[in-house]
Amino acid sequence: DGGITQSPKYLFRKEGQNVTLSCEQNLNHDAMYWYRQDPGQGLRLIYYSQIVNDFQKGDIAEGYSVSREKKESFPLTVTSAQKNPTAFYLCASRPGSASSGANVLTFGAGSRLTVL
Amino acid sequence: QKEVEQDPGPLSVPEGAIVSLNCTYSNSAFQYFMWYRQYSRKGPELLMYTYSSGNKEDGRFTAQVDKSSKYISLFIRDSQPSDSATYLCAMSAMGGQGFSFIFGKGTRLLVKP
Repeated sequence: DGGITQSPKYLFRKEGQNVTLSCEQNLNHDAMYWYRQDPGQGLRLIYYSQIVNDFQKGDIAEGYSVSREKKESFPLTVTSAQKNPTAFYLCASRPGSASSGANVLTFGAGSRLTVL
Repeated sequence: QKEVEQDPGPLSVPEGAIVSLNCTYSNSAFQYFMWYRQYSRKGPELLMYTYSSGNKEDGRFTAQVDKSSKYISLFIRDSQPSDSATYLCAMSAMGGQGFSFIFGKGTRLLVKP
């Protein structure tokens, strides 16, 4: 079945450490997104990428970095510069803008990051 | 003015009740309207999506969009305990950077047996 795989599901990090969250999709979608979800705050966009080797900052990109070397993969690194990294992170994807279904996001199951 | 307003709840109803969930928005450029269901510690899953104004029905779920009032609704008939989840409304519009998306903060629904 096609879908988005996020790993790890749960991750614990000490302060000062960088961590990388994995996002892999086999939907052949062109665009991929990273959101952060905090209680009472809704979904906030961190980074997005519409094509390979290109990505743009979202509303809360500070302290995060991404890469898009392959169409199916969009890893997110949470750096030590991120002041409040404890959150639920969601990866999403959609087809290219000229394709059917381009206006709808498909989400992964999420990764819960806790900073100790 | 916030772009999307959604009552956070929690909304508690007895099993079998009709549930009404709503969002208001401010940007008239939105053309596509979606409802996602999110169970605790899971990713959101798409329930319904509609284009422009009108109604769309899928089983026990009905989505309504009133673009003139900038108001969207999701109705759940014969609600079940398994419907207990957080429901997120979402909107998208086509712009210079492709589609942009905005989400409500979600309404938590609890259906009691």
